[in-house]
Amino acid sequence: DAGVIQSPRHEVTEMGQEVTLRCKPISGHNSLFWYRQTMMRGLELLIYFNNNVPIDDSGMPEDRFSAKMPNASFSTLKIQPSEPRDSAVYFCASSATGGTYGYTFGSGTRLTVV
Amino acid sequence: AQSVTQPDIHITVSEGASLELRCNYSYGATPYLFWYVQSPGQGLQLLLKYFSGDTLVQGIKGFEAEFKRSQSSFNLRKPSVHWSDAAEYFCAVGARRDDKIIFGKGTRLHILP
Repeated sequence: DAGVIQSPRHEVTEMGQEVTLRCKPISGHNSLFWYRQTMMRGLELLIYFNNNVPIDDSGMPEDRFSAKMPNASFSTLKIQPSEPRDSAVYFCASSATGGTYGYTFGSGTRLTVV
Repeated sequence: AQSVTQPDIHITVSEGASLELRCNYSYGATPYLFWYVQSPGQGLQLLLKYFSGDTLVQGIKGFEAEFKRSQSSFNLRKPSVHWSDAAEYFCAVGARRDDKIIFGKGTRLHILP
């Protein structure tokens, strides 16, 4: 298995631009999680899906952030418009039986908004 | 609400020395507990997990952790560290009826040669 695949690995964009981060979970995993990691705030859960349905998006910081999971093998996290304070590493993780048996993380997308 | 506290932001040990990383959690019922490791530029990798049963849990890379309910702790240990263990370590807690896992702020481990 190739693991959780995130793209791109690095993204540099100008303030105000739209940014789309992509994630392919492990085949057969039915839960998907988006996290943001910064030095100041650590790992923050943004949103998670079970069976492609958003369950909890209380961690999404603002309406500028949105996430979709159109099918079991693909999810996107979109920021529109982006701001410098959105600069962080964004991780996607998936799990086979909800989150409580442990997640498998992707390698992350390092986003820099200038 | 669930919470996880890792009181040490940085820990430095000499190669070959023993290691203990502290983790305290807050949760009303018996939690699911995890330790993850993150190497620079990488995602998080699961080291070990506790759900029930034996309170001493063995993980990968020679790590172990002990669940102590009376102290609300789940400390990570290794008898002899290697230079390759230098990384950031995250303790995490989950609930039986919840899919979410809450992570601590992490402890960065430095190894002296």
